[in-house]
Amino acid sequence: QSVLTQPPSASGTPGQRVTISCSGSNSNIGNNFVHWYQQFPRTAPKLLIYMNNFRPSGVPDRFFGSKSGTSASLAISGLRSEDEADYYCAVWDDTLSGWLFGGGTKLAVL
Amino acid sequence: QVQLQESGPGLVRPSETLSLTCTVSGGSIGDFYWNWIRQPPGKGLEWIGYVYYSGTTNYNRSLASRVAMSVDTSKNQFSLKLTSVSAADTAVYFCARGRMVGAAPPYFDFWGQGKFVSVSS
Repeated sequence: QSVLTQPPSASGTPGQRVTISCSGSNSNIGNNFVHWYQQFPRTAPKLLIYMNNFRPSGVPDRFFGSKSGTSASLAISGLRSEDEADYYCAVWDDTLSGWLFGGGTKLAVL
Repeated sequence: QVQLQESGPGLVRPSETLSLTCTVSGGSIGDFYWNWIRQPPGKGLEWIGYVYYSGTTNYNRSLASRVAMSVDTSKNQFSLKLTSVSAADTAVYFCARGRMVGAAPPYFDFWGQGKFVSVSS
């Protein structure tokens, strides 16, 4: 069971907006940047959002990250079939002096 | 474009040492943090630790007693050793670059494709 809590699954239909949450504590999300990764089956995770809400070059602006207090969210608008993947939040924990990952959310596009 | 590539044995016997190397191309190993992250089959990601290009290390406390990381700047490589392995260490092992922005902990911006390591007799 991860210290960072994500819903195990999420779903939406093409064109919809979906939100994935990541809940933590003051020692991690409350005091550090949150980053999001997208992972397709049998491939490496890819940086999707860094420092709460910045998108690397090439990531569509349909992906939006936000943070409030000890929680963070990844929103995907205009959902597309190619968005079907696993999504992980990652954040540094000051108490552990190490990185934490959320348990991951499997997104299905119905 | 920076590329990372893991290499090493895909099968390790229980109680022995897992050894992996990550080769960095398309960029210098200097001034970045170099991480190992693993993912057991069907499960989530677990950070193992990082080694800075200077040799400074920081390990996940749950694995620290069994982990050692090192860097070879002349070869643009860094390595992972995990001792006394068991079946619970079976996983895909990823290497990843840690990028610092200001004083914030370095996040993972580039990843290797991953190396599956099975611990089995």
